Amino acid sequence: NAGVTQTPKFRILKIGQSMTLQCTQDMNHNYMYWYRQDPGMGLKLIYYSVGAGITDKGEVPNGYNVSRSTTEDFPLRLELAAPSQTSVYFCASSYWGSGANVLTFGAGSRLTVL
Amino acid sequence: AQKITQTQPGMFVQEKEAVTLDCTYDTSDPSYGLFWYKQPSSGEMIFLIYQGSYDQQNATEGRYSLNFQKARKSANLVISASQLGDSAMYFCAMRDGAGNTGKLIFGQGTTLQVKP
Repeated sequence: NAGVTQTPKFRILKIGQSMTLQCTQDMNHNYMYWYRQDPGMGLKLIYYSVGAGITDKGEVPNGYNVSRSTTEDFPLRLELAAPSQTSVYFCASSYWGSGANVLTFGAGSRLTVL
Repeated sequence: AQKITQTQPGMFVQEKEAVTLDCTYDTSDPSYGLFWYKQPSSGEMIFLIYQGSYDQQNATEGRYSLNFQKARKSANLVISASQLGDSAMYFCAMRDGAGNTGKLIFGQGTTLQVKP
């Protein structure tokens, strides 16, 4: 089992460029999440999805878009990159139905916007 | 509003000793879950332990235990017999109970350094 796979691991963008962070999970989890972690800080929720075709905003959605066309994939799109989007991005998934609903995280994607 | 607070930015502990990492939370939802994650310098997020709001006993997982004091709204992590590999950042998180979304709210983290 690969778990939650994120690509790319590192990326440098110029201001105004766009890109997509890919996330896929092979655990048949129904819930998926995107978080960002700024240096020395906790994680903040960008977007989440409770199933294919359903997405909703988290705490810090501005500047991002997501889609969930399949159970496995949950890409995060950055439009018109800004220096404030320099961060480490984590994708996570979980199976809602168990008591704990433990989130399994990907390894993270470090994005720098210059 | 729901909130998680970790007041210790950094902690030191001697190898083989126990250490307590503090976490307080605020929620008006009677059903919630509390989590601790470890983030080593390599950056991945590793799940350690979970406590449900209705659980009668404190959760334990190997050397990790969660000191859950519901009335005080605290969920401190206790690591017994610290090892050098325990040096990492530790995050307390709370599951948002509303809407069955499974969303987690994270604290700012505590950096733990284990001294040999």
